[in-house]
Amino acid sequence: KAGVTQTPRYLIKTRGQQVTLSCSPISGHRSVSWYQQTPGQGLQFLFEYFSETQRNKGNFPGRFSGRQFSNSRSEMNVSTLELGDSALYLCASSATGSQTYEQYFGPGTRLTVT
Amino acid sequence: DQQVKQNSPSLSVQEGRISILNCDYTNSMFDYFLWYKKYPAEGPTFLISISSIKDKNEDGRFTVFLNKSAKHLSLHIVPSQPGDSAVYFCAAVKPNTGNQFYFGTGTSLTVIP
Repeated sequence: KAGVTQTPRYLIKTRGQQVTLSCSPISGHRSVSWYQQTPGQGLQFLFEYFSETQRNKGNFPGRFSGRQFSNSRSEMNVSTLELGDSALYLCASSATGSQTYEQYFGPGTRLTVT
Repeated sequence: DQQVKQNSPSLSVQEGRISILNCDYTNSMFDYFLWYKKYPAEGPTFLISISSIKDKNEDGRFTVFLNKSAKHLSLHIVPSQPGDSAVYFCAAVKPNTGNQFYFGTGTSLTVIP
């Protein structure tokens, strides 16, 4: 089985712009979660989508949004980028999203905001 | 508000010795705990987990211990191997919250040959 894929792997944007990141989960996985990783903060939960519905949301401003398509692929959008949004953005997929807590992570998208 | 904490940013251990990585949490609602390992330029990979109804779970060289009264868990790696050199994250989950993981800030383990 192919693993979780994320595109693009690297991205450089300017403050004030917006960006869209993409995540393709493992085939058959219906839950996709997004995390932001910054030095000193570890991985911070952004949101989780399950069957095209946002099921959980972390403590991030409304500039961060996402969606999930019928094929379980997910996109994350960040509008009005700030320097502090520079981070590694990871997505993770899991099979059922309920009893099984094992999540499989993609390699991440490294976003740099200048 | 960091509900899961890893107070040691780094740890160095000789090959063949035991590595002990520690993790503390503040929220007593957490009922499931996991350890992930992360190599540079890769996403975290699942290592081992433990339910709050247990106090120990073992998988080969890896053992996780949970002390609920102290809100503390630890990961033991015996014997440590150079390939174990990576960043280790502990994570915690509350019941009925899907896959919302609370991660610690990570401990970078270096195993010296």
